[in-house]
Amino acid sequence: DADVTQTPRNRITKTGKRIMLECSQTKGHDRMYWYRQDPGLGLRLIYYSFDVKDINKGEISDGYSVSRQAQAKFSLSLESAIPNQTALYFCATSWGGEKQFFGPGTRLTVL
Amino acid sequence: RKEVEQDPGPFNVPEGATVAFNCTYSNSASQSFFWYRQDCRKEPKLLMSVYSSGNEDGRFTAQLNRASQYISLLIRDSKLSDSATYLCVVKGSSASKIIFGSGTRLSIRP
Repeated sequence: DADVTQTPRNRITKTGKRIMLECSQTKGHDRMYWYRQDPGLGLRLIYYSFDVKDINKGEISDGYSVSRQAQAKFSLSLESAIPNQTALYFCATSWGGEKQFFGPGTRLTVL
Repeated sequence: RKEVEQDPGPFNVPEGATVAFNCTYSNSASQSFFWYRQDCRKEPKLLMSVYSSGNEDGRFTAQLNRASQYISLLIRDSKLSDSATYLCVVKGSSASKIIFGSGTRLSIRP
C-alpha cells in the first residue's frame, strides 16, 4: 500500500464550485504540504503544516484553504474554483522538514 | 530572476553516455539541497540529497558549490530507465523556503 495517498486522482469541475482534495499518510511524519505543479513553473508551495495545530501559508495560498484533521490527514479546499486553478496537485510529507515523500497527485480541471 | 533555475532541456543522449546538469540558486543562506526525479505524470521521488563534500550513489554523483551557488548532478553509463525530469530542490531555514526548480528533462535513446 502507498504511504501517501490522495483522493480523488482526477477531478473535473466548473467555475465557482467548492472542491476538496484529500491526503492521507501512513508514514507517521509530522509535516505535511500541498503543492501545485504547472507546466514550466515547477512545484509551488500552497500550504504546509508542522502538526495538527500549526498551519502556515506558502507561496501561493490565495484562493485555497486547508485543514489538518489529524496527524495523518491534510485536506486542501478550493472555496470557489476558477480556471487558473487547473493544475496537478501534490501532497507531500516529511519528518523534520528534510526529505519529502509525495502522493501520486490529483489532476484538477476547472472549466 | 528565479530563486532556483534549471536548464529545461531536453537533453537527448545515447545509452551509455555521461550527462550532467546544473541548478543555480539565488539565496546564499540556503541550507539543504536535493535532487528529485519525476517521471511523466507521476509524483517526484527523492533521488539524492546533496552534501557539501559531494556524494555518490551508484552511477549518480551530486556536487554542491556554495561559492558559485549551484548544485550539479552527473549520471554515468546512462540507462534508458534514466529518462525522466530531474528537479533541483533548495531549502532555506524554514519550510516555507523549499523551492523547486522547474526541472531538466532527460531523454536517453537506444
